[in-house]
Amino acid sequence: DADVTQTPRNRITKTGKRIMLECSQTKGHDRMYWYRQDPGLGLRLIYYSFDVKDINKGEISDGYSVSRQAQAKFSLSLESAIPNQTALYFCATSDPQGAKGYTFGSGTRLTVV
Amino acid sequence: AQSVTQLGSHVSVSEGALVLLRCNYSSSVPPYLFWYVQYPNQGLQLLLKYTTGATLVKGINGFEAEFKKSETSFHLTKPSAHMSDAAEYFCAAISFDSSYKLIFGSGTRLLVRP
Repeated sequence: DADVTQTPRNRITKTGKRIMLECSQTKGHDRMYWYRQDPGLGLRLIYYSFDVKDINKGEISDGYSVSRQAQAKFSLSLESAIPNQTALYFCATSDPQGAKGYTFGSGTRLTVV
Repeated sequence: AQSVTQLGSHVSVSEGALVLLRCNYSSSVPPYLFWYVQYPNQGLQLLLKYTTGATLVKGINGFEAEFKKSETSFHLTKPSAHMSDAAEYFCAAISFDSSYKLIFGSGTRLLVRP
């Protein structure tokens, strides 16, 4: 099994719909992250969580919310999807200072039509 | 705020030629530095990292990078490009504020010509 598992892998949804992307990890780390990737922009941080009770906004959190259900689970929700949220979304986890590097999931490709 | 800059959104080399992908960071304190690779339709794979110690770090698939504090650079090199190296490469840095967030450059797509 992969260290970080994201579901679904691909999703097409309509404008205005609520959608949840799920992430689970088996690394045993407290820290988890959600990033979005857009061509030419690299990866930008949406939300991050230091532990189950500590959730923080990243640089592009508007229009998104998250839930940390357990140490191993961190989900991302789009409350009312809009077309410019079409992107590739990555979940990641890390040790406390990230010195070993982040471990990423395989990504969820979301298309909002 | 810390930032990471990758020069060149696309780099094209011939098979067998030197690969050089450029990365500069802005930080008052040398950060942890990373290179990730993304093959088409796949996630991100860690190529190599610099945290402390030797400034020349070797990674997977024959890649290496040198941390140069005086130039605030962490360029990625490979002596001889293979067709299989065609991918997108991301330079990233850990910010040393309280969050230890990983900050990415905008990426460089490497094209390898036969």
